[in-house]
Amino acid sequence: GQNIDQPTEMTATEGAIVQINCTYQTSGFNGLFWYQQHAGEAPTFLSYNVLDGLEEKGRFSSFLSRSKGYSYLLLKELQMKDSASYLCAVLDSNYQLIWGAGTKLIIKP
Amino acid sequence: GAVVSQHPSRVICKSGTSVKIECRSLDFQATTMFWYRQFPKQSLMLMATSNEGSKATYEQGVEKDKFLINHASLTLSTLTVTSAHPEDSSFYICSAKDGRENTEAFFGQGTRLTVV
Repeated sequence: GQNIDQPTEMTATEGAIVQINCTYQTSGFNGLFWYQQHAGEAPTFLSYNVLDGLEEKGRFSSFLSRSKGYSYLLLKELQMKDSASYLCAVLDSNYQLIWGAGTKLIIKP
Repeated sequence: GAVVSQHPSRVICKSGTSVKIECRSLDFQATTMFWYRQFPKQSLMLMATSNEGSKATYEQGVEKDKFLINHASLTLSTLTVTSAHPEDSSFYICSAKDGRENTEAFFGQGTRLTVV
């Protein structure tokens, strides 16, 4: 079966750094996405990785290791507005998005 | 990024009536559109995938006669919830991607449906 695992909830302090991990087992791999979702809103695209390595975009970075079936999203200089759910999703061999359940990130002052 | 517009953002309807939700790609041709449903505190659940000009492919357990999907053009897909019941109340989200491989899907704003 296809499976995406990520922690259910994480707590971090404003101004700090947090790393949200995602491991996957899917039938084929055509890329991994990270989305941010605030409560009651649709997800917004954060990053896309298809090759191994680190992609940096401002305060957010995403890392992929295809051999390990592993990715992480790194958030630096955390702000209160970063409190949200972070969804990991993998594009499988049929170009279907397989979603993780999401990690709820709580930022404390 | 590309823009996907979903309308309406909120709708309240009476039990037994039908509701249509529109999803438009504003600045790209969406060869594939996805419709999702999200229950409170749960992740997105894919309902169906539609390719322009062909019938939608529904996920297991999703009633195709209840959730009618039309993707008649490269910029518009519609989801019609027929004979809505209170248990259909949910957050419905569409996403669209162009025909190129390995590109991200862009999401609409979502529609909060409440059936009373």
